[in-house]
Order: sequence, then C-alpha cells, then structure tokens
Amino acid sequence: DIVMTQSPLSLSVTPGQPASISCKSSQSLLYSDGKTYLDWYLQKPGQSPQLLIYEVSNRFSGVPDRFSGSGSGTDFTLKISRVEAEDVGVYYCMQTLQLSWTFGQGTKVEIK
Amino acid sequence: EVQLVESGGGLVKPGGSLRLSCAASGFMFSSYSINWVRQAPGKGLEWVASISSTSSYIDYADSVKGRFTISRDNAKNSLYLQMNSLRAEDTAVYYCAREGGGELVHWGQGTLVTVSS
Repeated sequence: DIVMTQSPLSLSVTPGQPASISCKSSQSLLYSDGKTYLDWYLQKPGQSPQLLIYEVSNRFSGVPDRFSGSGSGTDFTLKISRVEAEDVGVYYCMQTLQLSWTFGQGTKVEIK
Repeated sequence: EVQLVESGGGLVKPGGSLRLSCAASGFMFSSYSINWVRQAPGKGLEWVASISSTSSYIDYADSVKGRFTISRDNAKNSLYLQMNSLRAEDTAVYYCAREGGGELVHWGQGTLVTVSS
C-alpha cells in the first residue's frame, strides 16, 4: 500500500495568518494519464469529511480561493492564505492512484 | 441535492454480523462508484471498500477482505456493506461516499458500529 505522511500533525494559527500542511507519499502519485491522484479533505468538528482539493490543485466547487494545493510526484502541500475561524478541523490528504486508497494521519488545525 | 444516508449501525458482539445500508438520492446513482470509509473513535480515516457503478469492479482494504462484502442495488438507489466476523477493531463510524472522478465528492453523515461484548 502507498503510505501517506502528513506534517505537522497539529497547527495553531492566528486568524488572518497563513498555514501550510505537507503530505508525502511513499511512491509517485503520477499516473500514465498525466494526472496526479492526490486529494485534500477537511473534517470540521462533529461533521463528515468534505472535499477541498482534487488532483493536487483543483479546488472543489464552493471551496474558498484562500485554499490552494500544489506539488508533484511524492511531495504535496495544502496552503491556506489567511486562516479563518471556520477553517478549524482536521485536514487529510488521500491518494487515489492505487487501491487500497490511503489517507494521511491528519493535521489538526486550531485557532490561537 | 445529493444525499447519502447511512443506517444499520449498532452494538454487536465480537464474531457477530451487521449489515449497513446507504440510501442515495439527488443524483443518478447507477452512474457512480461508491465507497465505504470508516473512522475509529478519535482516529483518522480508513478506506474500506469500493464498488463500481455496475458492480463489475469491487475492492477491499486488506483489514476487511474476506469478512466484509460490498454490494449495491441500482434499482433501489442503495449501497450495502455486509460485515461478518466482526472484531473490536472494526468499531468505527462508517461513511458511504460517492466518487466524482476518483475523489470522494459527497459523504453521508455516518453510522456508528460498536463491537463489544
């Protein structure tokens, strides 16, 4: 299975400040179709996970543009340009290149 | 509006069985692959199983292979997870989630399965 490793595992951010989460995969997530199968999800407290970013850098419908994804191969980053109170929760990266799909451990984001 | 509603969770003894259901609405159910994802209490997310739109392709996490069976009834817009030989480590909230182009676009609210004597 592909192992996904996130860092940091927790993050405390002042509102209005940027935040960055790293996700590394144990093998390249680039497929022969040219796409890279790495997604980001946010699970807000008491809620189901919600899709933020798919295929590294594509924001899902309705996701604010303060969220951006980047990276290639095995190294990926989720950035929040200016953190807001509603952004608290646990962020997960997930690879869908190869079954069994696997998630990172999660990064808990809190507001200072 | 896309809706996925899980049901069937509850308390079961180790070695027992349980069947989860996921009722879908608001989209053409028969056109999409659907997955089960679980989350143990206080833990992260774990992909469990996937079934393609016509049930032609099915796969399972190693942790449940041989014990769980995913199925669907497109006429009833429903997804199922038959769970046998349950273990304490299967205790989790189970979510059904609809794929978009591979990513999990829509999630249900989850149903809690507790395996305990």
